[in-house]
Amino acid sequence: GAGVSQSPSNKVTEKGKDVELRCDPISGHTALYWYRQSLGQGLEFLIYFQGNSAPDKSGLPSDRFSAERTGGSVSTLTIQRTQQEDSAVYLCATEREYTGELFFGEGSRLTVL
Amino acid sequence: QKEVEQNSGPLSVPEGAIASLNCTYSDRGSQSFFWYRQYSGKSPELIMFIYSNGDKEDGRFTAQLNKASQYVSLLIRDSQPSDSATYLCAGNSGGGADGLTFGKGTHLIIQP
Repeated sequence: GAGVSQSPSNKVTEKGKDVELRCDPISGHTALYWYRQSLGQGLEFLIYFQGNSAPDKSGLPSDRFSAERTGGSVSTLTIQRTQQEDSAVYLCATEREYTGELFFGEGSRLTVL
Repeated sequence: QKEVEQNSGPLSVPEGAIASLNCTYSDRGSQSFFWYRQYSGKSPELIMFIYSNGDKEDGRFTAQLNKASQYVSLLIRDSQPSDSATYLCAGNSGGGADGLTFGKGTHLIIQP
């Protein structure tokens, strides 16, 4: 597709359940970022993938969070045993090669009840 | 710790005036700078980038960079109500996620 695609756009779940969020990047963009944005707050970096290199996981807030990127394309962010404080918009972005120019998806809004 | 600082606002500007958004950064290794616009409930979109000292103009938008002062700004001429949004400044020193730092954004309100 022409842009970064994320699914689901909205997810409501119960505390303790696992959720998976998906990101389809722009074709040819090898760098992919996940960010989290709580209401009225800035972007919180979570994880970064670049080609076949080991991902930079330094932003993941706890071991309940994990992400993978298969074949250098689609990425999945998984949150296990969700907590209410996990409620936020999760944004995926891909980077025009080594430029720092990011293209964001529309985000996945997660609500944990 | 690399930091990009922005005044959170809100910055209120009358329609038709010039809106001036400012950003300072701590990492002297930052080579390129970006302005993203984020409408309420939407994701950020890139509107300007600048690599060299001086001004860069694109339509009603002008980005300004002063590396000696570690200062980046975005000017919006002839402000329109549709410019009301949060503007995020970001600096990039390369090297992947560690090199890319976002500010928390300035909330701009254009008053009709």
